[in-house]
Amino acid sequence: DIQMTQSPSSVSASVGDRVTITCRANQDISNWLAWYQQKPGKAPKVLIYGASNLQSGVPSRFSGSGFGTDFTLRISSLQPEDVATYYCQQAKNFPWTFGQGTKVEIK
Amino acid sequence: EVQLVESGGDLVQPGGSLRLSCVASGFTFSNYWMTWVRQTAGKGLEWVGNINQDDTETYYVDSVKGRFTISRDNAKNLLFLQMNSLRAEDTAVYYCLRGSSGLVRLGPDYWGQGTLVTVSS
Repeated sequence: DIQMTQSPSSVSASVGDRVTITCRANQDISNWLAWYQQKPGKAPKVLIYGASNLQSGVPSRFSGSGFGTDFTLRISSLQPEDVATYYCQQAKNFPWTFGQGTKVEIK
Repeated sequence: EVQLVESGGDLVQPGGSLRLSCVASGFTFSNYWMTWVRQTAGKGLEWVGNINQDDTETYYVDSVKGRFTISRDNAKNLLFLQMNSLRAEDTAVYYCLRGSSGLVRLGPDYWGQGTLVTVSS
């Protein structure tokens, strides 16, 4: 199984700050990677698919990059509504696997 | 508007069975892969399995193989998860997801709101 490792596990930043979350796969997954946002008490929502493609309706302050084994989710200017846990997930091979999540809070 | 609404979650005893349903609307259901994902408190997200558009391919995580079965009724826009021989570790919120209409690797784009399954005596 492909293992996905996210870092950091949590981050606290001020409104307007740039936030970067990384996700590493233990083998090459090309660009078959998605990022999800889960707000407290809600279902996850797709932010990014194909490593860098913004899902329709997602604010442009979110961006994704990477290929192979190393991937990044960036929030260019953190907003209060971005408080959530963020997960990466690989779709290269079954079983699909998720990172352990990164909790983003406002300082 | 794409909508996925799960139902069927309940409290069930270990060894018991449960069938989850997911009704889809707002898109042509028969054109899409569908996925089940579960989330346990404190253990994050776990992919359960996928089914292709015409129910000729299914894939499962090892921990549910032989116990869970994914199926679909394209005429009624319904996705199912039949869960047998339930264990305490199957306790989770189960989500129904819409997958891709093409390559399965493109991944899901919509999630339902989830239904809670609790396995306990």
